[in-house]
Amino acid sequence: GEDVEQSLFLSVREGDSSVINCTYTDSSSTYLYWYKQEPGAGLQLLTYIFSNMDMKQDQRLTVLLNKKDKHLSLRIADTQTGDSAIYFCAERGGADGLTFGKGTHLIIQP
Amino acid sequence: DTAVSQTPKYLVTQMGNDKSIKCEQNLGHDTMYWYKQDSKKFLKIMFSYNNKELIINETVPNRFSPKSPDKAHLNLHINSLELGDSAVYFCASSPAPQQPQHFGDGTRLSIL
Repeated sequence: GEDVEQSLFLSVREGDSSVINCTYTDSSSTYLYWYKQEPGAGLQLLTYIFSNMDMKQDQRLTVLLNKKDKHLSLRIADTQTGDSAIYFCAERGGADGLTFGKGTHLIIQP
Repeated sequence: DTAVSQTPKYLVTQMGNDKSIKCEQNLGHDTMYWYKQDSKKFLKIMFSYNNKELIINETVPNRFSPKSPDKAHLNLHINSLELGDSAVYFCASSPAPQQPQHFGDGTRLSIL
């Protein structure tokens, strides 16, 4: 069945890089996604990667995809306090929607 | 310019009532969705709607029914509200199924 796994918490120091990892199960997903949710706010589509790509870079964000291991990661360079949020990994899911991981709470230490 | 907008932002009501949440998107997308986020922040797809075809997640109670008056709107009706319905409900849209989805800001439903 569909299942997306990610760690619940990640704590990093301001200025360091954050790496959030995710494993997924549906190898037929055309896209894989990262969403960001700040406290009390909605879901922001942060970035996504097409399944035939290995890497995608967008300013401070780098997405790596390992299809063989069904592993997706999001690297945030030079992590800032404004990056504090919950980050959700998502793949194609049932009902034509997305299956989300449980979200990784990114905590920034000063 | 809000891309996906939901109303109301907050909804507080009593158990047993019937309520609706509205969703509108101005992105010209063909597919719309409803998701439920519980108190632990877990997100689950409830419905998707594309070209008059409704796909329902089988875990959703039939007290929940989406209604689409046109391509830009997908409203969520909930009958006989229960305590367990308390959650944040998100509407989303995408150009087509399986494509990147854009989310509204959510409606926080609290059942007393």
